[in-house]
Amino acid sequence: DAMVIQNPRYQVTQFGKPVTLSCSQTLNHNVMYWYQQKSSQAPKLLFHYYDKDFNNEADTPDNFQSRRPNTSFCFLDIRSPGLGDAAMYLCATSRETGWPEAFFGQGTRLTVV
Amino acid sequence: GQQVMQIPQYQHVQEGEDFTTYCNSSTTLSNIQWYKQRPGGHPVFLIQLVKSGEVKKQKRLTFQFGEAKKNSSLHITATQTTDVGTYFCAGDFQKLVFGTGTRLLVSP
Repeated sequence: DAMVIQNPRYQVTQFGKPVTLSCSQTLNHNVMYWYQQKSSQAPKLLFHYYDKDFNNEADTPDNFQSRRPNTSFCFLDIRSPGLGDAAMYLCATSRETGWPEAFFGQGTRLTVV
Repeated sequence: GQQVMQIPQYQHVQEGEDFTTYCNSSTTLSNIQWYKQRPGGHPVFLIQLVKSGEVKKQKRLTFQFGEAKKNSSLHITATQTTDVGTYFCAGDFQKLVFGTGTRLLVSP
């Protein structure tokens, strides 16, 4: 019954080695979000898609990229992970912008060694 | 950019005491949403407020949206240990921007 699925739940990557996190949804929602959440902090918006329209936050590092090949899937690519990129990465969906309720996946915890 | 601040950052209460968290936006909001994140979990939607001055209740939780649609509050009456977690407001700026959050700890 999971509606927003993130894989993997835990990811360990080496410093500087590219890594991809994935998110899929069964809700057919137009909007998909990627958030970064560090310990004891709020989720920080990295990007969001409205359908295929990509929106990058001004302060999202160039090291972070995203792809949404279709409605159901969205990927977060970190080209050269640094130690400071270790965090929980949360994917969320919403039917429309302004629509109540964003549905979150369980997150991927990224460790950089 | 859009900023949403919350106070307090942290609150520790005894079970049965009340709790309030306040949320302030740098700009007027079309609507505001509230989420709860349990330790180790992901944010879970609680409610959305849309109208100026709106008040909504969910059992022991009361949510308010300010008249100017720039601030909001969440009040919990008679806290229980199950209320433990971090409460986030999230402003809708045609994208969802989370507030800084208030972490609530409840002692039995």
